[in-house]
Amino acid sequence: AQKVTQAQTEISVVEKEDVTLDCVYETRDTTYYLFWYKQPPSGELVFLIRRNSFDEQNEISGRYSWNFQKSTSSFNFTITASQVVDSAVYFCALSEASNDYKLSFGAGTTVTVRA
Amino acid sequence: KAGVTQTPRYLIKTRGQQVTLSCSPISGHRSVSWYQQTPGQGLQFLFEYFSETQRNKGNFPGRFSGRQFSNSRSEMNVSTLELGDSALYLCASSLDSPSYEQYFGPGTRLTVT
Repeated sequence: AQKVTQAQTEISVVEKEDVTLDCVYETRDTTYYLFWYKQPPSGELVFLIRRNSFDEQNEISGRYSWNFQKSTSSFNFTITASQVVDSAVYFCALSEASNDYKLSFGAGTTVTVRA
Repeated sequence: KAGVTQTPRYLIKTRGQQVTLSCSPISGHRSVSWYQQTPGQGLQFLFEYFSETQRNKGNFPGRFSGRQFSNSRSEMNVSTLELGDSALYLCASSLDSPSYEQYFGPGTRLTVT
């Protein structure tokens, strides 16, 4: 069963628009970690954020913000005022104790920002 | 601080051959994980090494193996290559456990013909 679902396969926006990426996860653990990674065309996965299951506080980092809601098992990611350099594939991932903390990745969402 | 490095970056092999990929983690990181990325299967966990011991393994056949050296550098080996092994192989290092932030290398693009 898919542990991490990223329902949006592709999103295309015009520069300066906001874009929100959805991530829904599934786990029975009480302790787990959620991550977002960015994969630009160069191929290297870039770490964006890590959240543990006990910290539901939303976070903002520059133009990036994350909304973690345990009640809906969601960990959504918003890029505000998107730029062309934000074009990449974004992956949500889950790390659970019951799975030896191995990262389970979603299928990824391809974001294209047009100038 | 230098990032994760992987060599080689690109590799072309023939079916039946074997290949060895190398990964040097960030200094001080003791956990090294390997992932395979393909268009069809996405990102899949291969294995994780910590202190020269394989701590976790994904659902891959025994043709996929790895090891870690005392300096935390890691290698993965794929024997008897199949066309389906063509993929981007990514190495990631973290301080202690994969539950910490994992930092990825640029990957090795393997093409099997």
